[in-house]
Amino acid sequence: RKEVEQDPGPFNVPEGATVAFNCTYSNSASQSFFWYRQDCRKEPKLLMSVYSSGNEDGRFTAQLNRASQYISLLIRDSKLSDSATYLCVVIGSSNTGKLIFGQGTTLQVKP
Amino acid sequence: GAGVSQSPSNKVTEKGKDVELRCDPISGHTALYWYRQSLGQGLEFLIYFQGNSAPDKSGLPSDRFSAERTGGSVSTLTIQRTQQEDSAVYLCASSIGTGPEKLFFGSGTQLSVL
Repeated sequence: RKEVEQDPGPFNVPEGATVAFNCTYSNSASQSFFWYRQDCRKEPKLLMSVYSSGNEDGRFTAQLNRASQYISLLIRDSKLSDSATYLCVVIGSSNTGKLIFGQGTTLQVKP
Repeated sequence: GAGVSQSPSNKVTEKGKDVELRCDPISGHTALYWYRQSLGQGLEFLIYFQGNSAPDKSGLPSDRFSAERTGGSVSTLTIQRTQQEDSAVYLCASSIGTGPEKLFFGSGTQLSVL
């Protein structure tokens, strides 16, 4: 089993739709979680951190479910510019600094 | 510069040759990471440096791969006797320290082994 798993998609949605992605992780002791965004042929960039209490940044909401070992990303009112691959990132409990990336979920927002 | 700099941006080499990939992190960033990404795939962890030491080398795929970091700054990833399966984008990232810090990625080196 991979340490971090995501549905690769693609998720094809119309503009204005709400879309949600999940990411599961295998190490129950994992401490920190992030969502990164990667545009085609570009480097990944941090989208948002995921806190235990959940957090919201504009149209984006991230949630953590420790009991079921998954994190989620919700995008409301999708824009064409949201089209990208969304990478789930987990840091292990040993705090060695090793960040483990999921395969990524591709989102395509259509006009 | 202000960001993570990687060179070369593209490298085409013949099978069996050695290659060196360079990463110049953001000034003051003590943590440095190497990942590789094959076409359509996620990021595969290779190695992590804290200062000049590498507490985690677990991702290096074989003994043909090695990396070093000097002066707590520039890092070099060396691949000896390259194979076609080594073809990928090699991404370097740096962060300000240990712990759940924001990573800043370079634009990568596209390695093609013919």
